[in-house]
Amino acid sequence: QKEVEQNSGPLSVPEGAIASLNCTYSDRGSQSFFWYRQYSGKSPELIMFIYSNGDKEDGRFTAQLNKASQYVSLLIRDSQPSDSATYLCAVNMDDTGRRALTFGSGTRLQVQP
Amino acid sequence: DAGVIQSPRHEVTEMGQEVTLRCKPISGHDYLFWYRQTMMRGLELLIYFNNNVPIDDSGMPEDRFSAKMPNASFSTLKIQPSEPRDSAVYFCANTGVTGELFFGEGSRLTVL
Repeated sequence: QKEVEQNSGPLSVPEGAIASLNCTYSDRGSQSFFWYRQYSGKSPELIMFIYSNGDKEDGRFTAQLNKASQYVSLLIRDSQPSDSATYLCAVNMDDTGRRALTFGSGTRLQVQP
Repeated sequence: DAGVIQSPRHEVTEMGQEVTLRCKPISGHDYLFWYRQTMMRGLELLIYFNNNVPIDDSGMPEDRFSAKMPNASFSTLKIQPSEPRDSAVYFCANTGVTGELFFGEGSRLTVL
């Protein structure tokens, strides 16, 4: 079964620190990777996506992809209490054009003031 | 654009009752997805449509669940009869140009 794995946490970091969130996936043919943030009682919202090996930066967020290791991560610099949420990793696990995303179970991040 | 609109936002019903969840997708987006989220199982794909045609319904739990998309601006997810284990948040979503999903606010279903 195709899977996306995340540590459920909680991951606790002090305000201003770097939070590192990790995700592994089982399907080597996966092409596109997404990070979503979900506040309690709200719907997931897209933070960023990455398609190519390496790093992609957007403001305080950096996504890192290593297809050989089947590993994708999200770094949050200068973490703020408002970053406290559950972070979902999502993968398009089909290279035939199927559009559906497979989600990990999420990592809960707590940023301590 | 108002985004994906779902109704009702909250539904409380008794076991055995029929439940209908509704979704109005973003205009012009060809793909529509129904996901279910629970604490135990996370976000699970139930079914998705392309141009109003069901493409993959392998995630639909059982025959009690059905989904339709009669036109490009409306979709329904129906559960009949409902059971307590169906309690979850049900999300409708569209796909963006880079493959990301845009979610509606969700319908929280509680089956007593």
